[in-house]
Amino acid sequence: SQTIHQWPATLVQPVGSPLSLECTVEGTSNPNLYWYRQAAGRGLQLLFYSVGIGQISSEVPQNLSASRPQDRQFILSSKKLLLSDSGFYLCAWDRGYNQPQHFGDGTRLSIL
Amino acid sequence: KQEVTQIPAALSVPEGENLVLNCSFTDSAIYNLQWFRQDPGKGLTSLLLIQSSQREQTSGRLNASLDKSSGRSTLYIAASQPGDSATYLCAVSASGGSYIPTFGRGTSLIVHP
Repeated sequence: SQTIHQWPATLVQPVGSPLSLECTVEGTSNPNLYWYRQAAGRGLQLLFYSVGIGQISSEVPQNLSASRPQDRQFILSSKKLLLSDSGFYLCAWDRGYNQPQHFGDGTRLSIL
Repeated sequence: KQEVTQIPAALSVPEGENLVLNCSFTDSAIYNLQWFRQDPGKGLTSLLLIQSSQREQTSGRLNASLDKSSGRSTLYIAASQPGDSATYLCAVSASGGSYIPTFGRGTSLIVHP
């Protein structure tokens, strides 16, 4: 069976510090991978998606970036965090057209 | 641009009631519609996926219907239980593009004993 892992579960970072969130998928190959941010009262916002190694599409201009160094690994990064980067970050995967999306347990990021 | 709306935003019902959650979307050219459940502080769990050629899907006490022409879907929960308390989100994948789903803001459901 397939599983998706996200870590850390919670993170408290000062403004201006760097960020690295990691997501890995097991039990499948060549998944589509997604990073979402969920802020209170604002719904689920797609940040990045990837259809293959090294292929990243950005949906929202911001100080965040994503990388996919391996087939089942997706990393969300920032060089300098802003207060507005606080939120709940979710990684997801699917097998493409007409396949359900599966989510990790998320990372709660608080910026001080 | 696809827009997805869920009504009501919040719902509180006594245990045992049958209930209906609504989802509407603006562009009827879709690949599929998914319903998800999200428990507090957790990720989303896929409940049902209805392809554009289908009218409904069922899983246990859950039944989801799709009316593409009117841009609507309903999630029917039979004999609700306190364990059904969660936020329910629908997501629509539009055809003719990247099929990446657009999410509604969800309906927060509380089932009290």
